[in-house]
Amino acid sequence: GAVVSQHPSWVICKSGTSVKIECRSLDFQATTMFWYRQFPKQSLMLMATSNEGSKATYEQGVEKDKFLINHASLTLSTLTVTSAHPEDSSFYICSAVTGGNEQFFGPGTRLTVL
Amino acid sequence: DAKTTQPPSMDCAEGRAANLPCNHSTISGNEYVYWYRQIHSQGPQYIIHGLKNNETNEMASLIITEDRKSSTLILPHATLRDTAVYYCIVRGGNAGNMLTFGGGTRLMVKP
Repeated sequence: GAVVSQHPSWVICKSGTSVKIECRSLDFQATTMFWYRQFPKQSLMLMATSNEGSKATYEQGVEKDKFLINHASLTLSTLTVTSAHPEDSSFYICSAVTGGNEQFFGPGTRLTVL
Repeated sequence: DAKTTQPPSMDCAEGRAANLPCNHSTISGNEYVYWYRQIHSQGPQYIIHGLKNNETNEMASLIITEDRKSSTLILPHATLRDTAVYYCIVRGGNAGNMLTFGGGTRLMVKP
């Protein structure tokens, strides 16, 4: 299947700082990417839909000014957690949609905010 | 997207077939049935998907009932590495259709 990478795989930061997470489709172009987060022992929750060249669409309850999404190219979407706080600690996972409408996931980024 | 119902957990003996059921009674005509699995602390892994017909690939088989209201994922010879949470998801056919994850089934393969 298609390969999606995320960087970094884990990050620890201090409260109040911003963290950027990258999601790349390595062997295909993705007009659409999705960002999810997963808290311990819970399922994945969709945060936003990222479309290349346009603004992201956020799910209800997700603050767009806190979780900045940029999808500037067909192979890269970034999620920036601004002014991170301990409650933002979570497992962040992206997925990318292929031209054949299949969706493949990245390995996830574990964010820990101290 | 239609909701799905799965048992929260299942056990399976190593080497035996694992049959994971899923109910999706409100599925509409243009919605596909997708199966993903998530091994601890990893991103979900695509397994298989189908619309009406049964499907088989190197990982698993997908059996969809004729009325499409339920399906079964079959892992023919489960190994310890198949221990994971398995998600059955119904999704429309457009690229903008996101995957909505329910609770999934935690499959434990035991020696």
